[in-house]
Amino acid sequence: EAQVTQNPRYLITVTGKKLTVTCSQNMNHEYMSWYRQDPGLGLRQIYYSMNVEVTDKGDVPEGYKVSRKEKRNFPLILESPSPNQTSLYFCASGRPSMSNEQFFGPGTRLTVL
Amino acid sequence: GENVEQHPSTLSVQEGDSAVIKCTYSDSASNYFPWYKQELGKGPQLIIDIRSNVGEKKDQRIAVTLNKTAKHFSLHITETQPEDSAVYFCAAGGDNYGQNFVFGPGTRLSVLP
Repeated sequence: EAQVTQNPRYLITVTGKKLTVTCSQNMNHEYMSWYRQDPGLGLRQIYYSMNVEVTDKGDVPEGYKVSRKEKRNFPLILESPSPNQTSLYFCASGRPSMSNEQFFGPGTRLTVL
Repeated sequence: GENVEQHPSTLSVQEGDSAVIKCTYSDSASNYFPWYKQELGKGPQLIIDIRSNVGEKKDQRIAVTLNKTAKHFSLHITETQPEDSAVYFCAAGGDNYGQNFVFGPGTRLSVLP
């Protein structure tokens, strides 16, 4: 089944404790992206990647890191999480050569205490 | 940068009635306007999209209209059904895949039986 998977789905952590949210897609998509969703603000892009070893900042990159060492994986790293990073996070992937559609994962709900 | 507004934030309709959600955007360079549906506990899923060289597009009970001069576009759902209940997001973006791609804040649609 073609899908985008994220792990973990739920995470409660404390301020300053480094964490990684993994994202993997099995559709051989070149493009991958991370969004955060907050009430009343919609989806805001954190980082995106057009292909392996190519990453760029989105609208709200502060406090986040990403890497794209393999085509299928695009982990989101929070080196020192803070309470304002409490949010619902979505990973997405797509194939620009075919369409503009983005395929979203199921989301990761992160709480930083 | 692009700014997308969406109205209303919540919408309740009786089953069988029509629902209309409206979005406005600020960047005249935007030329791709998708609509995503997010069901409870899931990631957003593309339901319909339109490009700036088209004024209207229809897919069964769903249609999207675009007015480039006024910089607004709308989602129309006819003969609503309970399974249409979800959060709907509009978005606007340019030719660069994934870049400058901004989502609206979302509309929670409830279809009452």
